[in-house]
Amino acid sequence: DTGVSQDPRHKITKRGQNVTFRCDPISEHNRLYWYRQTLGQGPEFLTYFQNEAQLEKSRLLSDRFSAERPKGSFSTLEIQRTEQGDSAMYLCASSLALVGSEQYFGPGTRLTVT
Amino acid sequence: DQQVKQNSPSLSVQEGRISILNCDYTNSMFDYFLWYKKYPAEGPTFLISISSIKDKNEDGRFTVFLNKSAKHLSLHIVPSQPGDSAVYFCAADKLAGGTSYGKLTFGQGTILTVHP
Repeated sequence: DTGVSQDPRHKITKRGQNVTFRCDPISEHNRLYWYRQTLGQGPEFLTYFQNEAQLEKSRLLSDRFSAERPKGSFSTLEIQRTEQGDSAMYLCASSLALVGSEQYFGPGTRLTVT
Repeated sequence: DQQVKQNSPSLSVQEGRISILNCDYTNSMFDYFLWYKKYPAEGPTFLISISSIKDKNEDGRFTVFLNKSAKHLSLHIVPSQPGDSAVYFCAADKLAGGTSYGKLTFGQGTILTVHP
């Protein structure tokens, strides 16, 4: 396994369009996380899954955002009716659900909303 | 509110010298701390971590110190190498029932530049 992969790496969309990103975690990892990072800031937690269950969603996350992990493997993050403020790097990470199990990050999907 | 803060946006160090990166936190519920390194166009990669029951953890050239009473941690890199030039993030987690809570709270990052 070569690590966490994300697709696409870059996405440019017009305001109001829907976008969907995919994340493939490390295969034996049962936890999967989504973060968002804007310029000059650290990653900000959005949501995470343990297996297929979504265990937490940031209260800052708009209802336009939805994430799924249907079979406990890959995950998708959808943003509906995109706004310019959604422009950011969207990072996916995976880990085991164990103390001391660090999160392994993918390269991210850079979203630009014009 | 910024629960994890890295007050130095950047740090410049000569090769071979020590790099010290600092991080402060406000939430006393945090009990596990991590440092990540990030190169351009890549996701963050894990460097080193420390549990709140310890005050020091060492891994090769990297040492993390935790001062719980001051809610402060630092990362020491000795000796610094040009390949260490990257953005460094500290992050904090809560443990629940022997597992990670799962939600890392990151600082803003410090850009480290190591000059040859």
